[in-house]
Amino acid sequence: QKEVEQNSGPLSVPEGAIASLNCTYSDRGSQSFFWYRQYSGKSPELIMFIYSNGDKEDGRFTAQLNKASQYVSLLIRDSQPSDSATYLCAVNELGSYIPTFGRGTSLIVHP
Amino acid sequence: EADIYQTPRYLVIGTGKKITLECSQTMGHDKMYWYQQDPGMELHLIHYSYGVNSTEKGDLSSESTVSRIRTEHFPLTLESARPSHTSQYLCASSESASGNNEQFFGPGTRLTVL
Repeated sequence: QKEVEQNSGPLSVPEGAIASLNCTYSDRGSQSFFWYRQYSGKSPELIMFIYSNGDKEDGRFTAQLNKASQYVSLLIRDSQPSDSATYLCAVNELGSYIPTFGRGTSLIVHP
Repeated sequence: EADIYQTPRYLVIGTGKKITLECSQTMGHDKMYWYQQDPGMELHLIHYSYGVNSTEKGDLSSESTVSRIRTEHFPLTLESARPSHTSQYLCASSESASGNNEQFFGPGTRLTVL
């Protein structure tokens, strides 16, 4: 049974702070890792994907992958109230086109 | 900008009606998916397709059916709607050639069955 675990939150951070969202996965054969943002009542939108160990940066967002420890994280620098949303972690195993989604972490950025 | 469309966006119908939720994408993606999501809850995969004439059931048992006659079109049909079908239905697509299989989601259809 493939599992992707996320703390449901809510994670509350002040505006301007760094928000750190974490995700662990059970399948060591996992190859691709995704972070989606979902605003309340809206559909998920892709923020970043990562497939190599280490960090990947895109603007205020940094994805970090550690395959040995089976975790992937998302850092949001200079958090803004507009970042308040649920962040979904998704994992694809090698050769599969069906991602396994976590339940999501609710992030609240307060002014 | 992802080009994936769903209609209708909102639908309120009575029990026992047959409905079809439409999903179309103009990106030429070979893979398409249907998810069900209740408010504040996780995504549940109900159907997917790897290409034309290919359809499979997902993890969540569903009384719906799908078809994939054209690459761009992946409609979902409920033969007899029930109140338990009340939910948000999300369509998504992805492209094998990208190698990473990132999914693009449509805006969703919010279905209410009375």
